[in-house]
Amino acid sequence: GAVVSQHPSWVICKSGTSVKIECRSLDFQATTMFWYRQFPKQSLMLMATSNEGSKATYEQGVEKDKFLINHASLTLSTLTVTSAHPEDSSFYICSAWRGGYTFGSGTRLTVV
Amino acid sequence: SQQGEEDPQALSIQEGENATMNCSYKTSINNLQWYRQNSGRGLVHLILIRSNEREKHSGRLRVTLDTSKKSSSLLITASRAADTASYFCATDATGGGADGLTFGKGTHLIIQP
Repeated sequence: GAVVSQHPSWVICKSGTSVKIECRSLDFQATTMFWYRQFPKQSLMLMATSNEGSKATYEQGVEKDKFLINHASLTLSTLTVTSAHPEDSSFYICSAWRGGYTFGSGTRLTVV
Repeated sequence: SQQGEEDPQALSIQEGENATMNCSYKTSINNLQWYRQNSGRGLVHLILIRSNEREKHSGRLRVTLDTSKKSSSLLITASRAADTASYFCATDATGGGADGLTFGKGTHLIIQP
């Protein structure tokens, strides 16, 4: 079956630094990947749609310059949280489509 | 944008009892899916029901869909302690993988042994 690998599973970073999260489709090609954010005890909110070879599409209210998305290949999308602040601490999870949505295992980001 | 509303937001029942969670949504859909999430972990896909289906079963799970009311329910029968988790409904507007999923707020289910 379709497998999506997400790394790292957790990361702690200092305020002001940048963090990169990778999302890989291991056994299929994904022209489109999706990034979600989940704050504690809340639901998942779609942040952006990552399109291979083109610019990502961001949901309303998501800062493009803060959450940089790169989808340079059909199997890899990356989300970079730039100049992270404590309020960016959250659970980030990606998904890819292959006849259905397959989710990565998520990344717990803590900014201190 | 988030369109789903689940109720109850939290549910605590005794092991062996049935648990029912409801989900409402606002726009037209191609399908609706239910996911489980254990604390701080990833999502587990439970079941998908298409807009032309009214009821679907999978093991101890029973899902209903009423498109006229824009609502769905998830029933877990004979609950077990391991069913303790958060449950989310998610709607897929187009079914073709272009738009992602819109998640409801979730129900936190606690099964007491």
